Amino acid sequence: KAGVTQTPRYLIKTRGQQVTLSCSPISGHRSVSWYQQTPGQGLQFLFEYFSETQRNKGNFPGRFSGRQFSNSRSEMNVSTLELGDSALYLCASSTYTAGGQETQYFGPGTRLLVL
Amino acid sequence: AQKVTQAQTEISVVEKEDVTLDCVYETRDTTYYLFWYKQPPSGELVFLIRRNSFDEQNEISGRYSWNFQKSTSSFNFTITASQVVDSAVYFCALSRGDFGNEKLTFGTGTRLTIIP
Repeated sequence: KAGVTQTPRYLIKTRGQQVTLSCSPISGHRSVSWYQQTPGQGLQFLFEYFSETQRNKGNFPGRFSGRQFSNSRSEMNVSTLELGDSALYLCASSTYTAGGQETQYFGPGTRLLVL
Repeated sequence: AQKVTQAQTEISVVEKEDVTLDCVYETRDTTYYLFWYKQPPSGELVFLIRRNSFDEQNEISGRYSWNFQKSTSSFNFTITASQVVDSAVYFCALSRGDFGNEKLTFGTGTRLTIIP
C-alpha cells in the first residue's frame, strides 16, 4: 500500500505570495490532518478534514486554510506569506474504526522557505 | 488542556548502549492515546507505537520497549543495544479519545545521537 504523499517537497516563495500544498492520503483513509513544524514552536496542529469537512482547527490565523476533495486528497493554502511561515508542513492520514480514529501516518512533508 | 513534556533535549550514547527517552504527559481526559514517532533527517515522522489509556501493559518490539505508568503520567521509551540507525529525533504525542477530536499534541522532541 502506498504511503502518504505530499507535493511539492520543497518550495521557495517571497513574502506576500500565496502557496498551495497538496496531500494524498493512504488509500482508504478519509481523515487528513495538517501540522506545521518549526524550530521555535515545534509541531503544531493546523486542521483536520474528514469526508470533505473541517472537523478540527488549531490556533492559526485565517491566512491558513484547507480543503478536502471527494477522493480524500487535501490541499492547504497559505495566503499573504510571512517570513515566519517558513516551516516543514506535514500531512497525516488516518482511518476510523468502531474504536475511533486509528493511528495517524505521516507523509514526507513540504519544506517551505519564505524569503 | 493537554501537554506533553520531553525534558531531554539531546542525548548521545555510544553504540550498543541502552538508552531511555522520557515522556511525561498531562490530560484531564480518562480516555486518551499516547504515541511515539521517530523523525530521521529526511523529515518524515515514522510511527512507532500507539497505546490507549486503558492498557498499561509494557510493550516490547525487537530492541524497542515502552513503559506506560498512569500513576506517574509517563510513557517512556527504551532502545536496547542502540545502533547508529537509531539516530533521529523522537517525539512523544498525546491525543484525546473522543470522536472528532483526535489531534496530536506533541512534545518538543529528544534528539538522539548514537556514536559509532
